[in-house]
Amino acid sequence: KNEVEQSPQNLTAQEGEFITINCSYSVGISALHWLQQHPGGGIVSLFMLSSGKKKHGRLIATINIQEKHSSLHITASHPRDSAVYICAAQRGAQKLVFGQGTRLTINP
Amino acid sequence: GAGVSQSPRYKVAKRGQDVALRCDPISGHVSLFWYQQALGQGPEFLTYFQNEAQLDKSGLPSDRFFAERPEGSVSTLKIQRTQQEDSAVYLCASSLVRRQETQYFGPGTRLLVL
Repeated sequence: KNEVEQSPQNLTAQEGEFITINCSYSVGISALHWLQQHPGGGIVSLFMLSSGKKKHGRLIATINIQEKHSSLHITASHPRDSAVYICAAQRGAQKLVFGQGTRLTINP
Repeated sequence: GAGVSQSPRYKVAKRGQDVALRCDPISGHVSLFWYQQALGQGPEFLTYFQNEAQLDKSGLPSDRFFAERPEGSVSTLKIQRTQQEDSAVYLCASSLVRRQETQYFGPGTRLLVL
């Protein structure tokens, strides 16, 4: 069993829908990261959180430390949100353990 | 002086050939990471530097993989006697200081071993 599990693996939705991607982890962490990867490989850090909730534009990330679970939400989704979203657990100083990613496709 | 850069962006190697992948981190970033990402998978940790010191190399899959960062800035990941299973995207990331810092990723080097 992977230390970091994401669901769903693939998600297709219509423009405007509310999107939720889930991440569960089985290890102790110092922080939880959400990353976005576009075709071609470039990875951008979206959030780093260790408790509670963070919001940036239409993106919201939450974490429940007791349940070892985090969610990434996208409100009013848009085709440009189409990408792979990756959850990563930070262990120790900075080592990241990644989930397998969720491929999101938003259709116009 | 924008982000993390990597070169080459694409590399095709014949099985058994040695390859060297370069990473230029953001200027002043102390920490540097190498990750390997197989097709359709999330990245996996290979190794971590703080300045020139390699503090963690637990993710290197075999002794054919070697990384260095001799002056604490540019890093090179070398793979000797490449095998087909080494085909992947190799990602480099850097961050400013040690703990709980955002990591900035380079575009990756896509390695194909034939």
